[in-house]
Amino acid sequence: GENVEQHPSTLSVQEGDSAVIKCTYSDSASNYFPWYKQELGKGPQLIIDIRSNVGEKKDQRIAVTLNKTAKHFSLHITETQPEDSAVYFCAALRLLSGGYNKLIFGAGTRLAVHP
Amino acid sequence: EPEVTQTPSHQVTQMGQEVILRCVPISNHLYFYWYRQILGQKVEFLVSFYNNEISEKSEIFDDQFSVERPDGSNFTLKIRSTKLEDSAMYFCASSDGRGTYEQYFGPGTRLTVT
Repeated sequence: GENVEQHPSTLSVQEGDSAVIKCTYSDSASNYFPWYKQELGKGPQLIIDIRSNVGEKKDQRIAVTLNKTAKHFSLHITETQPEDSAVYFCAALRLLSGGYNKLIFGAGTRLAVHP
Repeated sequence: EPEVTQTPSHQVTQMGQEVILRCVPISNHLYFYWYRQILGQKVEFLVSFYNNEISEKSEIFDDQFSVERPDGSNFTLKIRSTKLEDSAMYFCASSDGRGTYEQYFGPGTRLTVT
């Protein structure tokens, strides 16, 4: 069935270092891959996304890459700051008939950025 | 900036009781969703809703669950007879649906069933 695997489950970095989170998906029909940041007690916040016709997308310190052949996509955060500390979720969108869709989430990565 | 809102932020109920979780999606969005997150686990899809009907539901969304858009702004999730295992964070999300895929999530309702 449809599944998204996410690694690592926890990641600890020093302020200023880079952080990379990787995901793989199983449904080859997936065509949209968002990343969400969830801070304690809050809902998931969309931070960046990528569509299947694009290999890489960058927004300031965050970037996402997609390898459709291998069904891999990754989140890269450069120059990490303490406020980047949160749980990050990758997701893959399965486009259903009629234009409906649903997100399949990875298990999450808890990122800790130490000053 | 428009955002999805949810009430209440925390709901405590006894097993067997009915609960209604409320959401106000972003005003011009057409697609609405409920997801849940059991503590420490991944976010799971429950149901999607479009044009006043369910478009898809997961195996979690059994006969005890129902959704409704009672007016032009609210979107509700009802659990008829709560079970202990229904304890979770419930997130509402909405999307424009007009050529875009982005789903925006509310802050969630923490449901505790005792």
